[in-house]
Amino acid sequence: QKEVEQNSGPLSVPEGAIASLNCTYSDRGSQSFFWYRQYSGKSPELIMFIYSNGDKEDGRFTAQLNKASQYVSLLIRDSQPSDSATYLCAVMGGSNYKLTFGKGTLLTVNP
Amino acid sequence: EAGVVQSPRYKIIEKKQPVAFWCNPISGHNTLYWYLQNLGQGPELLIRYENEEAVDDSQLPKDRFSAERLKGVDSTLKIQPAELGDSAVYLCASSEDRESPLHFGNGTRLTVT
Repeated sequence: QKEVEQNSGPLSVPEGAIASLNCTYSDRGSQSFFWYRQYSGKSPELIMFIYSNGDKEDGRFTAQLNKASQYVSLLIRDSQPSDSATYLCAVMGGSNYKLTFGKGTLLTVNP
Repeated sequence: EAGVVQSPRYKIIEKKQPVAFWCNPISGHNTLYWYLQNLGQGPELLIRYENEEAVDDSQLPKDRFSAERLKGVDSTLKIQPAELGDSAVYLCASSEDRESPLHFGNGTRLTVT
């Protein structure tokens, strides 16, 4: 069983819409959760991190964490064509601090 | 603040040849990582250093891969001999400590022919 699961997509949304990206994880002891954006041919870039249950907002981005359901999501409001990229969910194990990445979800925002 | 610096950006070698990648982390970052990323996949951890100690190298193929982090700053990842399946992007990342977010370098794209 893959430790971090993401829908590979592609997820296609119109410009201005809300994009919702989802991630589930298997290690119940995980404590830290990260979202990275990766443009084609580039390296991953940190967007947000969240440690506690609930929502965390930063500009147009909102990360949501539900540890009971082992679920973390990223919402992008007012999506722009420049948001088109692969979004990687990463989960840090609680005991070994190992950061495990999902395969990523490809998001396309159509003008 | 300068980011994580990796070199070279691209490398093309023939199979069975050796290759080495270099990484300079963000100043003050104690934890350094080497990840491998295949096309369409997420990064996979090869090795994690805390200062100069390799604290997680369980995914490093030790028969052909080696790494070092002298003086707890720069790091080198070596493959000898390279195989066709080693073609991938090798990413170096660093963080302030083992619990902090990772920051990635631009990566080295390796092609083995």
